[in-house]
Amino acid sequence: EPEVTQTPSHQVTQMGQEVILRCVPISNHLYFYWYRQILGQKVEFLVSFYNNEISEKSEIFDDQFSVERPDGSNFTLKIRSTKLEDSAMYFCASRREADTQYFGPGTRLTVL
Amino acid sequence: EDQVTQSPEALRLQEGESSSLNCSYTVSGLRGLFWYRQDPGKGPEFLFTLYSAGEEKEKERLKATLTKKESFLHITAPKPEDSATYLCAVRFTGGGNKLTFGTGTQLKVEL
Repeated sequence: EPEVTQTPSHQVTQMGQEVILRCVPISNHLYFYWYRQILGQKVEFLVSFYNNEISEKSEIFDDQFSVERPDGSNFTLKIRSTKLEDSAMYFCASRREADTQYFGPGTRLTVL
Repeated sequence: EDQVTQSPEALRLQEGESSSLNCSYTVSGLRGLFWYRQDPGKGPEFLFTLYSAGEEKEKERLKATLTKKESFLHITAPKPEDSATYLCAVRFTGGGNKLTFGTGTQLKVEL
C-alpha cells in the first residue's frame, strides 16, 4: 500500500540554522500539506500546496518558512532561521481528489 | 470561532470493555469529519471520513457516527493493540482544504 515517507526521522539543529525537511507524497496525489505538532499539543496546519503553488497557509507559516516541490516526487519544507519554539514533530500529508489526507511518519525537529 | 473538542482526554479500559469517544464541533459548515489513530511518535493514521448527519462507518472493532454537532467513535470489545491516541479533525466552509484537529483522546486498553 502506498505511503507518504519523510526524511530525516529526527533532525537536531542549532538555533538560527536552516533546516530542510523532506517528504515523498503518494505518487498519484495532487495536494500536499505540512502540519506540525508541538509535544503534548494538537496537530496544527501550516501550509497546503497544489499545482506548484501555495494554496493556503496559516499564521504560523511566516517568512521563515517556505515550501517547494523541486521535482516530480519530493515536497520540502524549509525553515530559514530556526527558533527554539520551532521544535516539534512535522508531518507531511497528501491527498488525491477525495478529501482524505494521508500522513507521513513525521520528522522530529529539535532546536537547541 | 471554529472549534473541535474531544472528550475524554484520556480513557483507560479493560480488554473487552466497550466505550465511546466524543468529538464535538462548532464550525460554520461541516465539509467532512475525519478520525485518525496516532501511535506515540508516529503520524496520524486514517480511520474514517463522515460527511452528513446520520452517517456511520465501521471497521473491525471501531464504528464512527455523526450528528449535526458531534461524532462518536465507538470501540467494541477493545484489545490492548487498540491503545493509541484517537484524533478527530474537520474541514469546514471557509476553511479551505486544511484539517482542524482536536487535542485527541488517549486510550489505554489493559489486559
